[in-house]
Amino acid sequence: EAQVTQNPRYLITVTGKKLTVTCSQNMNHEYMSWYRQDPGLGLRQIYYSMNVEVTDKGDVPEGYKVSRKEKRNFPLILESPSPNQTSLYFCASSPLVTRSEQFFGPGTRLTVL
Amino acid sequence: GQQLNQSPQSMFIQEGEDVSMNCTSSSIFNTWLWYKQDPGEGPVLLIALYKAGELTSNGRLTAQFGITRKDSFLNISASIPSDVGIYFCAGQLGRAGGTSYGKLTFGQGTILTVHP
Repeated sequence: EAQVTQNPRYLITVTGKKLTVTCSQNMNHEYMSWYRQDPGLGLRQIYYSMNVEVTDKGDVPEGYKVSRKEKRNFPLILESPSPNQTSLYFCASSPLVTRSEQFFGPGTRLTVL
Repeated sequence: GQQLNQSPQSMFIQEGEDVSMNCTSSSIFNTWLWYKQDPGEGPVLLIALYKAGELTSNGRLTAQFGITRKDSFLNISASIPSDVGIYFCAGQLGRAGGTSYGKLTFGQGTILTVHP
C-alpha cells in the first residue's frame, strides 16, 4: 500500500531533550515536506526537500533541522524542544513534477512540557 | 511569508445544503489546491488547479482558480454527513529554478459541520 508513515504518532517530552520524528514514504517520491498544524493557523511549512541531499526552509524553520540522506526518509529533528513547539506535525511527499499534490502522513502529536 | 485568508472559519449546515468557501491572497499564485482533513488524519487532496480561470469538478465538489490568480473558491453541492471535516486551500507560487519552487502555503482552514 502506498503510504507516508510517521513515528512516533504521539510524544510527550520535556524542554531541551533532543528528539527525532521519522518520516518514510514508499512511493519513490522526490519531494518531501514537514508541516506543523496549530489551531487557527492552518498548516505551516517547516522544511522541504526536492531530492536527496537538497533541503530548503519553509515559513517556520526556526528550532528545527532536517536531513535527506535517502530518498524515502526525511526525519525532523528538534535539537532543544521548547513548549512553543507543542503542535501536530505532518510529513508529506509527492513526485517533484506535481509537488503541490502532496500525500500526507497520519500526523505526530508532540507535547513539550 | 505568503499569507492566505480563508473564509468562513466555520460553517454549520443541514444535510442537503450547498456550501461555498473561498481563499484570497495579496500575492499571485501559480497553483491553487483544496485539501480536506478528516478528524485524526492527515489532509487529502481534493482538487488541484493550474490555470487562471480554470474551473474543475470532482463529484459534488467544484473549484475555480481566480482570474487574478489571487483567489480561489470551493463549492460543495448537496452536502452529506461525511463532508464533515476541515477544508484547506493552498497556494504555490514558485516557478522551476526559483527560490520558492518547493514552498506551499495553506489557509487557516474552514471547519464544516453537517447536521443530518
